[in-house]
Amino acid sequence: SQTIHQWPATLVQPVGSPLSLECTVEGTSNPNLYWYRQAAGRGLQLLFYSVGIGQISSEVPQNLSASRPQDRQFILSSKKLLLSDSGFYLCAWNGQGGYEQYFGPGTRLTVT
Amino acid sequence: EDQVTQSPEALRLQEGESSSLNCSYTVSGLRGLFWYRQDPGKGPEFLFTLYSAGEEKEKERLKATLTKKESFLHITAPKPEDSATYLCAGRQGHSGYALNFGKGTSLLVTP
Repeated sequence: SQTIHQWPATLVQPVGSPLSLECTVEGTSNPNLYWYRQAAGRGLQLLFYSVGIGQISSEVPQNLSASRPQDRQFILSSKKLLLSDSGFYLCAWNGQGGYEQYFGPGTRLTVT
Repeated sequence: EDQVTQSPEALRLQEGESSSLNCSYTVSGLRGLFWYRQDPGKGPEFLFTLYSAGEEKEKERLKATLTKKESFLHITAPKPEDSATYLCAGRQGHSGYALNFGKGTSLLVTP
């Protein structure tokens, strides 16, 4: 069966510090991968998606970036965090032929 | 502009009191309507996918239905463990088939 992991689970970082969040999927190959952010009082916002290794598409202009160095690994990064980057970051995947997306446990990021 | 709107924002029910949650959408190129359940501090858990008007799906006390412009999540005789935020999403025909989410309905079922 497929599982999706995210780490860390929680993170507190000062403004201006770098960020690296990791997402790994097991039990599937060549998945579509997605990064969403969920801020308080707002819905899930799509940040990035990837349909293959090295293929990244950005949906929202911001100081975040994403990379997909391996088939089942998706990384979200920032060189300098802003207060507005605080939120709950969720990684999701779906299969090439499937429509449902399955979410990881999320990373709670607080920028102070 | 693609939009998914859920109502009400919050709903409080007594155990056994049935009700419905609403999801209206204006998503161009809709490729499915999805329902998720999210518990506090956790990632959304997939519940249902609906593809065409008139389609219905059931799981325990939950039933999802779809019309041309909206979807309903019916909760029959809810229990306290049904308390959660229920999210509705439309799948786009672009952006890698990402989901466009509503803000959710926070459901509280009291004993």
